[in-house]
Amino acid sequence: DSGVTQTPKHLITATGQRVTLRCSPRSGDLSVYWYQQSLDQGLQFLIQYYNGEERAKGNILERFSAQQFPDLHSELNLSSLELGDSALYFCASSTHSGGARTDTQYFGPGTRLTVL
Amino acid sequence: DAKTTQPPSMDCAEGRAANLPCNHSTISGNEYVYWYRQIHSQGPQYIIHGLKNNETNEMASLIITEDRKSSTLILPHATLRDTAVYYCIVRAPNTGNQFYFGTGTSLTVIP
Repeated sequence: DSGVTQTPKHLITATGQRVTLRCSPRSGDLSVYWYQQSLDQGLQFLIQYYNGEERAKGNILERFSAQQFPDLHSELNLSSLELGDSALYFCASSTHSGGARTDTQYFGPGTRLTVL
Repeated sequence: DAKTTQPPSMDCAEGRAANLPCNHSTISGNEYVYWYRQIHSQGPQYIIHGLKNNETNEMASLIITEDRKSSTLILPHATLRDTAVYYCIVRAPNTGNQFYFGTGTSLTVIP
């Protein structure tokens, strides 16, 4: 158990809909990261938040957005869903922002999103 | 981040040591080598990381060559539960900390 929790475990929805995935980081961690893993793309970094502020952006679509709240939990919002958005979505957390020191990420169990 | 190259798949007999290689020939001086594994569709699990010296923890050992262009993850006594995809990741600390996962090595431990 990494200490990172994600809800829900599974989500089934229809094209065009909007969903919200939730992540709670390990106690004391200030950074939250979101990754997408689809069958043909592997694990792709989407976005990082550090202490409530966006820190880094990866291959995140404009239809997707995220935020980190004062209690440090994070939500990933996916809108206008398409069939190709079906994937595993993982959240990870780390103590620091990256910056001048290396920082181990600990991953949650993931949310499996199925778009029909 | 330096690019990494790993063999796509490997087999290992149960109880034997599993040695997983990774090439990172473009690594720079301040880049760390991280190893994670992913069992089926679970979240990636942190194994070990290092910069220059060899590292050992309760899960594995990490051997980094002197020129730092390659490394080997060693699982000393592989069990069936070690069957997973193993990812070698190289990143610099001043890059916002996002990890770039390649395709990894699919390790199968055979009874």
